[in-house]
Amino acid sequence: GAGVSQSPSNKVTEKGKDVELRCDPISGHTALYWYRQRLGQGLEFLIYFQGNSAPDKSGLPSDRFSAERTGESVSTLTIQRTQQEDSAVYLCASSPLGGTQYFGPGTRLTVL
Amino acid sequence: EDKVVQSPLSLVVHEGDTVTLNCSYEVTNFRSLLWYKQEKKAPTFLFMLTSSGIEKKSGRLSSILDKKELFSILNITATQTGDSAVYLCADRAYNTDKLIFGTGTRLQVFP
Repeated sequence: GAGVSQSPSNKVTEKGKDVELRCDPISGHTALYWYRQRLGQGLEFLIYFQGNSAPDKSGLPSDRFSAERTGESVSTLTIQRTQQEDSAVYLCASSPLGGTQYFGPGTRLTVL
Repeated sequence: EDKVVQSPLSLVVHEGDTVTLNCSYEVTNFRSLLWYKQEKKAPTFLFMLTSSGIEKKSGRLSSILDKKELFSILNITATQTGDSAVYLCADRAYNTDKLIFGTGTRLQVFP
């Protein structure tokens, strides 16, 4: 079946602009996760959604970062007033409840 | 604070060599440890380990967990150039589904 998809695959923006990154999880997966990976680093947890529960936002680095999810479907990660240090690959994953996380191909964000 | 440390940071070998990648962790209420392979952007799942001493095996790859010493190893035998990738280790606690990742080990296999 279809895996996790993300769009756009690459995004170049100017410092100070807002960006929206989209994630389509695997159908039927109740949990959805966002991670950030800076060059040469491991994955850094940002936020996760589980069904109708309140999201765990403990990894969001600042109030410029926010995310929404529509039911158990699409999620959007928004970064306002982008800074150069926001440049990274943003990875989305989904999983069934308590199950293995499957990752999408990521969005490479470059802030000039 | 929960932490995952991987070693070595990078490894260069020739085809046919056997490699061992290390992962040590500190996590409150440990539930499981996972290994992923990352070739370009999307990490792909390799193993999930929950019990000590039970080896998980898939072809030339195998992994084992030691919950007393808080570490795991990933072994790759008879390496091939297609094994070149970053190998990521992550742990998960009981009270959450989020994963805490190490920085990864970059493996390069040359012909």
